[in-house]
Amino acid sequence: QSVLTQPPSVSAAPGQKVTISCSGSSSNIGNNYVSWYQQLPGTAPKLLIYENNKRPSGIPDQFSGSKSGTSATLGITGLQTGDEADYYCGTWDSSLTAVVFGGGTKLTVL
Amino acid sequence: QVQLVESGGGVVQPGGSLRLSCAAFGFTLSSDGMHWVRQAPGKGLEWVAFISYDGNNEYYADSVRGRFTISRDTSKNTLYLQMNSLRTEDTAVYYCAKDRGGTGTPDYWGQGTLVTVSS
Repeated sequence: QSVLTQPPSVSAAPGQKVTISCSGSSSNIGNNYVSWYQQLPGTAPKLLIYENNKRPSGIPDQFSGSKSGTSATLGITGLQTGDEADYYCGTWDSSLTAVVFGGGTKLTVL
Repeated sequence: QVQLVESGGGVVQPGGSLRLSCAAFGFTLSSDGMHWVRQAPGKGLEWVAFISYDGNNEYYADSVRGRFTISRDTSKNTLYLQMNSLRTEDTAVYYCAKDRGGTGTPDYWGQGTLVTVSS
């Protein structure tokens, strides 16, 4: 059971937009930055979003992040089959003094 | 360019020990904190441990506290994870990752090393 809650799967057609939610509490998302990671099959996770809504160099604006209260959302527009991957949210939990991740969401581009 | 290269994985019996290494390139461990994160086969990401940029602070997941120790050698620019009293549930790919500016955000990740605990 993960501290952060994500939907197990989402799907959308090529070219469409999808959002992935991440729900937590005041000890984690509510008072700390949220990050998002993409993990393509057989590869290491890659940082997509940090500090709730910032993109590292090289990450296209196809990816966006937002946070409100104790929840965060990852948005992906212009979906391509190459975007099929597992997506994870993460943040620091001040009560646990630990990094916590969501259980991951598998994106399928139909 | 930041690069992280893990090594030291392998097969070990329950109750045994293993030490993982993570060589860092393109930055110095004395300037950034570091994480270990693991992923059991077919499962999600599980954070394991963190060491601060100055080495003065260490944090561990409850599942490994008292059995695993994170450390570093700044002269070799290498991070370590000493794993003792290994259990079958510790079987996973172990990734090291650099922390982003003291925010608790793993940003650059290594390719991972597989640890299998089995009799």
